[in-house]
Amino acid sequence: RKEVEQDPGPFNVPEGATVAFNCTYSNSASQSFFWYRQDCRKEPKLLMSVYSSGNEDGRFTAQLNRASQYISLLIRDSKLSDSATYLCVVNRRSSGSARQLTFGSGTQLTVLP
Amino acid sequence: GAVVSQHPSWVICKSGTSVKIECRSLDFQATTMFWYRQFPKQSLMLMATSNEGSKATYEQGVEKDKFLINHASLTLSTLTVTSAHPEDSSFYICSAHGLAGGRGLAKNIQYFGAGTRLSVL
Repeated sequence: RKEVEQDPGPFNVPEGATVAFNCTYSNSASQSFFWYRQDCRKEPKLLMSVYSSGNEDGRFTAQLNRASQYISLLIRDSKLSDSATYLCVVNRRSSGSARQLTFGSGTQLTVLP
Repeated sequence: GAVVSQHPSWVICKSGTSVKIECRSLDFQATTMFWYRQFPKQSLMLMATSNEGSKATYEQGVEKDKFLINHASLTLSTLTVTSAHPEDSSFYICSAHGLAGGRGLAKNIQYFGAGTRLSVL
């Protein structure tokens, strides 16, 4: 079983639609959770951290359920510029104080005009 | 602006040659950097953890003699792909942990370089 699993996608949605991505993680020692976005042939960029209480950043809402080891991302009023691959990422402590990131395989979103 | 600089951004080389990729933290000290590899339509896979002043820690299945990592200073880690072959063609990305919190960086976040696209002919 993969350590981080995501919806395979791809998601093709019209502009203005609401879209939700899901993610599960297997390592209960995971400590921090993130959503990154990656544009084609570019490096991943942090979209938002995910907190247990749920958090919102503009049109983006992230939720975490530690008991179910489940993470979600909701995008409201999607824009053409939201088209990208969304990566679910978990962070666990490795040696010393350094932490390692484990990436999900990503969900591709295409927002259509 | 960028906090992690990675060079080169694109490399084309012949099979059997070695390629060095540099990853620099800009204006902050990074005692730990990470090297990832991403094949087309796949996610990033951690290759190794680069520790300043000590040996790198490699993930299972990654050959340490093929992917040489040197982290000789607090701002520079290098990855050398030795005797590259076509199957090594991939997108290599480094990241640095903002542990020091310099430049107002968040301590719990990793900052990524722009990546190096390696094509081995």
